[in-house]
Amino acid sequence: DIQMTQSPSSLSAAIGDRVTITCRASQRFSGYLNWFQQKPGKAPKLLIFSVSTLHIGVPSRFGGSGSGTDFSLTINNLQPEDIATYFCQQGYEAPFSFGGGTRVEI
Amino acid sequence: QVQLQQSGPRLVKPSQTLSLTCAISGDSVSSQIAAWNWVRQSPSGGLEWLGRTYFRSKWYIYYGGSVQSRLVISTDTSQNHLSLQVMSVTPEDTAIYFCARESTDGRWDYWGQGTPVTVSS
Repeated sequence: DIQMTQSPSSLSAAIGDRVTITCRASQRFSGYLNWFQQKPGKAPKLLIFSVSTLHIGVPSRFGGSGSGTDFSLTINNLQPEDIATYFCQQGYEAPFSFGGGTRVEI
Repeated sequence: QVQLQQSGPRLVKPSQTLSLTCAISGDSVSSQIAAWNWVRQSPSGGLEWLGRTYFRSKWYIYYGGSVQSRLVISTDTSQNHLSLQVMSVTPEDTAIYFCARESTDGRWDYWGQGTPVTVSS
């Protein structure tokens, strides 16, 4: 099974900052890496799929990159509405697995 | 516009069976370009994939996670919904349960609103 280790578990940043969240997989895979944003009481919302493709309607300040075992989500020019918890997820091989989440605070 | 509307009990007693439904609108449960997943989120916030089903000339069902031996995923094409049963629940099954659509390019683009379930006597 592929394990996803996400870091940091939480971070505090200022409005306008650039924020980077990383996920490391326990084995190499390609393609099926998703990033989600979740706000309290809501379902996860897809931000990025296939490592780096922005989902429809997601602001361009969000970006994804990586390959092999190391992947990252970058938020440029952090905005107040970006306060949330972010999860990575591998959809490459069942059982599909999620990172532990990163809580982003201002 | 695809919408997933979940329903089910919010309180279940230990040893009982939890039954949840995810009603699909704007797509078909038997679509040959989508898969339908169940995920749960523990009170501490971690997400656990439970299983998926999809139709590609025949039905495929896969289970995962720590509780896969107690899970049953099913579909009803006449009602256009999918269901999840978790048998012999314990307090450790207390979680928010989500259904989610997965497209063939791997994007998990539509989610149900979540059903918070508490297992308690």
